[in-house]
Amino acid sequence: AQSVTQPDIHITVSEGASLELRCNYSYGATPYLFWYVQSPGQGLQLLLKYFSGDTLVQGIKGFEAEFKRSQSSFNLRKPSVHWSDAAEYFCAVGAPLSYNQGGKLIFGQGTELSVKP
Amino acid sequence: DVKVTQSSRYLVKRTGEKVFLECVQDMDHENMFWYRQDPGLGLRLIYFSYDVKMKEKGDIPEGYSVSREKKERFSLILESASTNQTSMYLCASIRQGGSNQPQHFGDGTRLSIL
Repeated sequence: AQSVTQPDIHITVSEGASLELRCNYSYGATPYLFWYVQSPGQGLQLLLKYFSGDTLVQGIKGFEAEFKRSQSSFNLRKPSVHWSDAAEYFCAVGAPLSYNQGGKLIFGQGTELSVKP
Repeated sequence: DVKVTQSSRYLVKRTGEKVFLECVQDMDHENMFWYRQDPGLGLRLIYFSYDVKMKEKGDIPEGYSVSREKKERFSLILESASTNQTSMYLCASIRQGGSNQPQHFGDGTRLSIL
């Protein structure tokens, strides 16, 4: 069965420090992969996505993620965290199913990021 | 710009009430989704719809139903609300066949059942 695991429920980093949020997936083929961010009281905003090609993808707000097929991972990174990055982050897998199920996503449990001044 | 609107940001209802959560999108998307978000569990799919009057069960449909009478509107119904349905509910939409496109989310409805 398809699944997504985010091993870290909560991470705290200092402002200016680098960040890596982990995501592992289970899927029979190359999935479509997404990272979303949710600020308090808001819906989900797309940070970046991977479908094929270059395994290092760039997103908004200075985030990037690397797809590693051998490790079934899609970790999110940022070289220098800002206080405004404090939020909850979700990794998701999209299955390229039949047209009437297109877009269905499976989400990880989420990682809450706190930023220390 | 893409817009998914959920009718209420906060809602308080009583056990046993019939509750309607409304979602409207203005992008002419065929596929719409209802998720439930709980701490430590991420987002779990309740129901989705890929066309008017069409619906499919997601991973946790028990206690819920949905209605899609118009393309732009997707309603989630709690037939008889219970306290374990207290949660954040998120609606999303996507163009049909757009598995490689991101879902567009509303801001969520935080529902409390007393």
